[in-house]
Amino acid sequence: AQSVAQPEDQVNVAEGNPLTVKCTYSVSGNPYLFWYVQYPNRGLQFLLKYITGDNLVKGSYGFEAEFNKSQTSFHLKKPSALVSDSALYFCAVRDWRGSTLGRLYFGRGTQLTVWP
Amino acid sequence: KAGVTQTPRYLIKTRGQQVTLSCSPISGHRSVSWYQQTPGQGLQFLFEYFSETQRNKGNFPGRFSGRQFSNSRSEMNVSTLELGDSALYLCASSLEGRTPRNEQFFGPGTRLTVL
Repeated sequence: AQSVAQPEDQVNVAEGNPLTVKCTYSVSGNPYLFWYVQYPNRGLQFLLKYITGDNLVKGSYGFEAEFNKSQTSFHLKKPSALVSDSALYFCAVRDWRGSTLGRLYFGRGTQLTVWP
Repeated sequence: KAGVTQTPRYLIKTRGQQVTLSCSPISGHRSVSWYQQTPGQGLQFLFEYFSETQRNKGNFPGRFSGRQFSNSRSEMNVSTLELGDSALYLCASSLEGRTPRNEQFFGPGTRLTVL
């Protein structure tokens, strides 16, 4: 069964410091991984995705994510955090069985707080 | 392009009533998914439609139903509302639905409160 785990409910970091939001996944085939961000009272916004190719994926707002197949991880990173990065972050994996497109599985979310 | 729109944005109902939520996807998008978001349960998948057919379904009771029209617009219906149905209901669309490459674009959600 496909699943996504975000082991930290909350991550706190000082502005200007690097940040990491962790995500591990479980899939039966090739992983198709996504990160989304949600600001208060808003829908989710797409940040970046890993489909194939380079393990380091760059996305919106200076975020990047590193795909690690051996550790089944897809951690979200940013070299220098901003207060405006404070939001709820979701990792997701797509269920794909070669010819049948399954649903998108989301983690429970990680609340990122960047303090000044 | 206009983003995903959801109507209404806010809704207050009482137990036992039914409700219909509407979602208009981004122009050209043929896949629409629905999610329920609550503080306790997080983001829960309801169902996904592609070309007017329900392709995937989450673990929700039969009171939750949906449909997609030929113009890709989608509606979801909840009958016999319960207090626990109070949530933010999110709709998401994606370009097409035959590969896993396409990200989903989310609407702002409909905040449903059941009294």
